[in-house]
Amino acid sequence: AQKVTQAQTEISVVEKEDVTLDCVYETRDTTYYLFWYKQPPSGELVFLIRRNSFDEQNEISGRYSWNFQKSTSSFNFTITASQVVDSAVYFCALSMYSGGGADGLTFGKGTHLIIQP
Amino acid sequence: ETGVTQSPTHLIKTRGQQVTLRCSSQSGHNTVSWYQQALGQGPQFIFQYYREEENGRGNFPPRFSGLQFPNYSSELNVNALELDDSALYLCASSPRTSGGAPSYEQYFGPGTRLTVT
Repeated sequence: AQKVTQAQTEISVVEKEDVTLDCVYETRDTTYYLFWYKQPPSGELVFLIRRNSFDEQNEISGRYSWNFQKSTSSFNFTITASQVVDSAVYFCALSMYSGGGADGLTFGKGTHLIIQP
Repeated sequence: ETGVTQSPTHLIKTRGQQVTLRCSSQSGHNTVSWYQQALGQGPQFIFQYYREEENGRGNFPPRFSGLQFPNYSSELNVNALELDDSALYLCASSPRTSGGAPSYEQYFGPGTRLTVT
């Protein structure tokens, strides 16, 4: 069975601080995909990044960066110089490689990020 | 390019009733997945439709059923509603290659908030 753990229920920082959201996953599959989604108060999940299990390179996109470490089964997300607009619930998710079968995502419980001005 | 749309936005039903939620996939996306998100939780995978057939299912009872139409739009039907069915129902669409391989990137709609009283 797959499992995603986001131990931080809520994080509150002051604007311009850096913040890291933790994600630890469990899977028996050797091929899988990891995702981060952002859910603002409007409720719509916004896709941020997808990573496959063979690619452990860190990725940076503007103020966002992701650190994937297979050895510790972690896929952490860092926001540099946080802004109020970053306030949202962030979800880490896992998908097994099904080769055409069910491609449902397994989500963590989310981390509520509050950026204070 | 039109994103994923869902209707209705909000719905209130009584325990024991039946409900139908609708989803139009993003242009060019032929796979639709449905998720249930209870308050304060991460989304949970209900099922996925591809080529008008159920392609995989999460841990949900048979009273949760669905349809996919030739234009790739989809419906989620829930019979014999229970109080615990109160949640945000999210639809996600994703493309597949011409060979049928999944893309593993799912794009979500704004959701339908269902309240069962």
